[in-house]
Amino acid sequence: RKEVEQDPGPFNVPEGATVAFNCTYSNSASQSFFWYRQDCRKEPKLLMSVYSSGNEDGRFTAQLNRASQYISLLIRDSKLSDSATYLCVVRGPAEGKLQFGAGTQVVVTP
Amino acid sequence: DAMVIQNPRYQVTQFGKPVTLSCSQTLNHNVMYWYQQKSSQAPKLLFHYYDKDFNNEADTPDNFQSRRPNTSFCFLDIRSPGLGDAAMYLCATSRDRGPGTEAFFGQGTRLTVV
Repeated sequence: RKEVEQDPGPFNVPEGATVAFNCTYSNSASQSFFWYRQDCRKEPKLLMSVYSSGNEDGRFTAQLNRASQYISLLIRDSKLSDSATYLCVVRGPAEGKLQFGAGTQVVVTP
Repeated sequence: DAMVIQNPRYQVTQFGKPVTLSCSQTLNHNVMYWYQQKSSQAPKLLFHYYDKDFNNEADTPDNFQSRRPNTSFCFLDIRSPGLGDAAMYLCATSRDRGPGTEAFFGQGTRLTVV
C-alpha cells in the first residue's frame, strides 16, 4: 500500500463550479499535511497547510480527518487558472520526511 | 527572487557519463531534499540532509550520490546515468523537519539521457 494515495482524476470542472477531492495516508503517526499545486512541467508550489481544525484560504478549504486518515481539498468558484495537479503531501514521523501523493489533476473548462 | 535555485534547468547527458546537478538556497534552511519525479508520478524522495547529517532512502540506487559542502549548496551526482534515470530532479528545502514546516522547491532540472 502506498503511503499517500490520491485519485488521479482528471476532475473536469465547469468554470464557477465547486470541486472536492481527498487524499488518504497510511501512517497514523503522520505529523503534518499540505496541499501543493503543480503546473505542467513546473515545480510544486505550496497551496496551503492543513490544520486539525480545518482551514480556509479564499476559495480553497482544506480539512483533516485523523480518525479516517484522510485530508481533503475543496475549491469553490473554480477559475480557469485553477487547472493544475494538486499534490497531497504528508510529513511522516520518521525523520519528518515529506511523502507525496501522485496528484489529482483538475481541469477547469469554460 | 528565487529562494531555491537549481542549475541547470535542462541537462542532456550521454548514457553512462557522470552528471552533476546543483541546488542552492538563500533561506538558510537546515534541511535539503532531492526528489526524482517521472511523468505523471509522485515525486520520489532520494535522500535528504539535515544540516550535515545525510539520510539515504533505502531504495535509492547506489548510482545516486549527494554532497552538501555548506548550508547553501547541495549536489546530486549520478555516476552512470541510464535511460531510466531520465526525469525531473527537484531540490527542496525546509527550515527543519518538525510538524508544520513546509518545503520550498526549486524549479527543477529536467534530465535527458541519450
